[in-house]
Amino acid sequence: EAQVTQNPRYLITVTGKKLTVTCSQNMNHEYMSWYRQDPGLGLRQIYYSMNVEVTDKGDVPEGYKVSRKEKRNFPLILESPSPNQTSLYFCASRPYRTGGDTEAFFGQGTRLTVV
Amino acid sequence: KQEVTQIPAALSVPEGENLVLNCSFTDSAIYNLQWFRQDPGKGLTSLLLIQSSQREQTSGRLNASLDKSSGRSTLYIAASQPGDSATYLCAVNSNSGYALNFGKGTSLLVTP
Repeated sequence: EAQVTQNPRYLITVTGKKLTVTCSQNMNHEYMSWYRQDPGLGLRQIYYSMNVEVTDKGDVPEGYKVSRKEKRNFPLILESPSPNQTSLYFCASRPYRTGGDTEAFFGQGTRLTVV
Repeated sequence: KQEVTQIPAALSVPEGENLVLNCSFTDSAIYNLQWFRQDPGKGLTSLLLIQSSQREQTSGRLNASLDKSSGRSTLYIAASQPGDSATYLCAVNSNSGYALNFGKGTSLLVTP
């Protein structure tokens, strides 16, 4: 089954304790990205990757890191989490095609609470 | 920057009604538009994808239309059911990049 898998689904952590949210897709998609969803603000892109070893900032990258060492994986790293990073996080993937007209697939989300 | 607006923000209808959700966007230079469903605290389920060259797409009781020149899309739900209760999100894939620009969603409640 084609899917994007995020782990963990729920996480409560303390301020300053480094954490990683994993994302894996089995569709051989080139493009992967991370979004956060906050009440009243909607979904906003954090980082994206066009392919292995190619990453770039989205609209709200502060406080986050990513890496793309393998095509299927795109982990989101919070080096020193703060309470304002409490949010619902989504990983997404889509194939790359000139013209950009491809469908995006989303993971089930990771509910992160930073206390 | 692409701005996406969804109206109404919330909607409550009795079971069986046909309904229309609206999505507007400011930049008509788009690749495609995607409608998603989100259940409370859950992930995004893709409902329909409309390419910029298309006028509409249908899946079961759902029909999505796209008028790129006017910057509008509608999601039509026929014969609504309580199981349709969810938040519906519109996302635009603009020519200027690969990011999806999301609206804030329409929260739909279908009452028995």
